[in-house]
Amino acid sequence: TQLLEQSPQFLSIQEGENLTVYCNSSSVFSSLQWYRQEPGEGPVLLVTVVTGGEVKKLKRLTFQFGDARKDSSLHITAAQPGDTGLYLCAGFFNDYKLSFGAGTTVTVRA
Amino acid sequence: NAGVTQTPKFQVLKTGQSMTLQCAQDMNHEYMSWYRQDPGMGLRLIHYSVGAGITDQGEVPNGYNVSRSTTEDFPLRLLSAAPSQTSVYFCASSYSYNPGELFFGEGSRLTVL
Repeated sequence: TQLLEQSPQFLSIQEGENLTVYCNSSSVFSSLQWYRQEPGEGPVLLVTVVTGGEVKKLKRLTFQFGDARKDSSLHITAAQPGDTGLYLCAGFFNDYKLSFGAGTTVTVRA
Repeated sequence: NAGVTQTPKFQVLKTGQSMTLQCAQDMNHEYMSWYRQDPGMGLRLIHYSVGAGITDQGEVPNGYNVSRSTTEDFPLRLLSAAPSQTSVYFCASSYSYNPGELFFGEGSRLTVL
């Protein structure tokens, strides 16, 4: 059973368009992270959010943590082909176990 | 700048064989973990360790053993390989946890026939 549900599973857009990826759970996270993974490599951390309602920006990427700390979203503005990859959300439900969602495969067409 | 090193990168086993996936990190991280990644299922935690001599189970521990005799190394043992263990395995380490940034190795692709 997946503790974290990500949607959509796949997303294909044209360069310059915007996109949003969602991460939801019925449980409360103590903190949540977003990772990006490219083929043949391990995931790389993009951001960590800790406080309910928190918004963090990383260039064209905006991350939001829900007020109740049960959901999060990743928004990419004016997507570029370099944004192509697998985006994974991950939540700490206790101190030591980081659980991942199934991921969203994003393809940005030039 | 080695970071997290996993070996081997590729391995093919027959059902019933045993093997060890090696993981080493040179960042003096106390926290290490093993995940498996399967299509459509993201990464699932197998085992983790918060320091030398301390290990605990994750979400999918059956069929796997770990030990942590040093801070640097965290090997994953498959006792009797099964086709269901065909997967890509990732080792990760972190300086701290909750929250802590996980640094991943490049993965080990295992096929069990």
